[in-house]
Amino acid sequence: NAGVTQTPKFRVLKTGQSMTLLCAQDMNHEYMYWYRQDPGMGLRLIHYSVGEGTTAKGEVPDGYNVSRLKKQNFLLGLESAAPSQTSVYFCASSFSETQYFGPGTRLLVL
Amino acid sequence: QKEVEQDPGPLSVPEGAIVSLNCTYSNSAFQYFMWYRQYSRKGPELLMYTYSSGNKEDGRFTAQVDKSSKYISLFIRDSQPSDSATYLCAMREYSSASKIIFGSGTRLSIRP
Repeated sequence: NAGVTQTPKFRVLKTGQSMTLLCAQDMNHEYMYWYRQDPGMGLRLIHYSVGEGTTAKGEVPDGYNVSRLKKQNFLLGLESAAPSQTSVYFCASSFSETQYFGPGTRLLVL
Repeated sequence: QKEVEQDPGPLSVPEGAIVSLNCTYSNSAFQYFMWYRQYSRKGPELLMYTYSSGNKEDGRFTAQVDKSSKYISLFIRDSQPSDSATYLCAMREYSSASKIIFGSGTRLSIRP
């Protein structure tokens, strides 16, 4: 089992560019999440999904969109990147209290 | 005021010491309490979780919840250099599986 994987590991974008972060899990979990982690801020929930075809907003959803077309995949999109979106992005999946996190994507927006 | 407060550290202790990590919170509706460990440039991994008040022990780790004081703790006995990491507390309400609130993390360093 690979668990939760994230693609890419690192990316540099210019302001205004768009990109999609891919999260995949092979544990058949219903719940999937996208977080961002910034120094001194902890993990903040961007969007989440409670099952295939569903998405919902988290604490900091502005500037991001998500899609869950397949149960195992959860995509996070940035339509027009801003320097404030420079962060480390973590995907997670869960079936109960245990959330399993991916290794993270480091995004730098110049 | 943040819902969950955690001292960021860094906390440096000698190998073999007992480590105490703590979080305070303001939402009395929190029922599930979790501790995650995060190594540098890795994703968080769940160490322990407890439901409501009380203690839970797993090997060298003990989690304590005091709901009356809105205070949770993680104790690490016989600390090892491999315990050096950032420790995040997290908590949620009973009926809100998707809304987990994380502390900002305490960076811990164990000196050999």
